[in-house]
Amino acid sequence: EVQLVESGGGLIQPGGSLRLSCAASGFTISANYMTWVRQAPGKGLQWVSLIYSDGTTYYADSVKGRFTISRDNSKNTLYLQMNSLRAEDTAVYYCARGLTPNWGQGALVTVSS
Amino acid sequence: DIQMTQSPSLLSASVGDRVTMTCRASQGVSNSLAWFQQKPGKAPKSLIYAASTLQSGVPSKFSGSGSGTDFTLTISSLQPEDFATYYCQQYNSFPFTFGQGTKLDIK
Repeated sequence: EVQLVESGGGLIQPGGSLRLSCAASGFTISANYMTWVRQAPGKGLQWVSLIYSDGTTYYADSVKGRFTISRDNSKNTLYLQMNSLRAEDTAVYYCARGLTPNWGQGALVTVSS
Repeated sequence: DIQMTQSPSLLSASVGDRVTMTCRASQGVSNSLAWFQQKPGKAPKSLIYAASTLQSGVPSKFSGSGSGTDFTLTISSLQPEDFATYYCQQYNSFPFTFGQGTKLDIK
């Protein structure tokens, strides 16, 4: 069974750093492209970042230079390193496998003092 | 960036109705268009990709069409579980972008 489980969310002060993890099972993340999508409270979906199977990465302008997507093939886990966090980064963060129906349950990140 | 505009923002309908919602791209995205359904407190559910291809397990009452800049999602014979918010997303060019959503509620 394919499963994606996010972890690492929490409350962090502005300017702080946090790393989200997305543990995958039932498939190999390095053979797929993987994305992060976020949703601020009461708002719509916003695409955040993508990593292709060849390691190429892309980012939304709003997070470029602050967030880094990566993966650990040995752990079959996707990451989102988030630095210089701002209040507007407060959201539920979802990981997803390509264009498939496989999404995680989401991890809440709250940036507040 | 490509802007995705969904209309209407709110759609009221009754059980058994057939509804259509639209998604317009600010520039052509070929058929690189996906539709998602989201219920409160839940992760989005992928319904359609490549504008008209149903994900495995998605009932055939959902259908998508369009290419270029104009796309539609049609849901026939609405059931209570279909009332949700629907989002389109283009994945033709980076950054990928979502529409603002169409909330489908019960009339």
